[in-house]
Amino acid sequence: EAEVAQSPRYKITEKSQAVAFWCDPISGHATLYWYRQILGQGPELLVQFQDESVVDDSQLPKDRFSAERLKGVDSTLKIQPAELGDSAMYLCASSLLGAGYEAFFGQGTRLTVV
Amino acid sequence: TQLLEQSPQFLSIQEGENLTVYCNSSSVFSSLQWYRQEPGEGPVLLVTVVTGGEVKKLKRLTFQFGDARKDSSLHITAAQPGDTGLYLCAGATTSGTYKYIFGTGTRLKVLA
Repeated sequence: EAEVAQSPRYKITEKSQAVAFWCDPISGHATLYWYRQILGQGPELLVQFQDESVVDDSQLPKDRFSAERLKGVDSTLKIQPAELGDSAMYLCASSLLGAGYEAFFGQGTRLTVV
Repeated sequence: TQLLEQSPQFLSIQEGENLTVYCNSSSVFSSLQWYRQEPGEGPVLLVTVVTGGEVKKLKRLTFQFGDARKDSSLHITAAQPGDTGLYLCAGATTSGTYKYIFGTGTRLKVLA
């Protein structure tokens, strides 16, 4: 069964350090999403790609966060410098292009900033 | 900004009881998904509803989409400990570019 792959599963970093997360979506899925989820809450969209283009990054803190999907396949989300408040689960999801297609999630990366 | 409110936020019940979780919004959605998430894992898709008034059943789970496609409910019959988890609704919007807006979540604990 096709899955969204994310790595690493867990990451502990010191504040002010740089950290990066990787996501490989389900093959053929044009749309890729990065979400941030605080423990016990619903995910919040950080950035949405359609192929290699960003279609929504309105909630991405652009002073420290960046995301890319250079070849329209896998994607990287970077935080530099990390802050204590960035501790959260970072989820990647992908879907076919178009409304009504379900988003499928990876297992997430649990980030702890100390 | 969350546009979908779920209620209740927390629910602790005994095995065998029935429960209903609600997902409400003032926005119209082109489709709505329900997910279940276990600690430390990503959300797993349970169902997608598309048509206003649509009802879907998945074993002991019944999902309903409101007639106006602004709200949804999830009913679980005879809850089991394996139903424990965080239940999330997500609405697909098509204003501008389409995207999924997640609800605030309902944390369910079923006691044996």
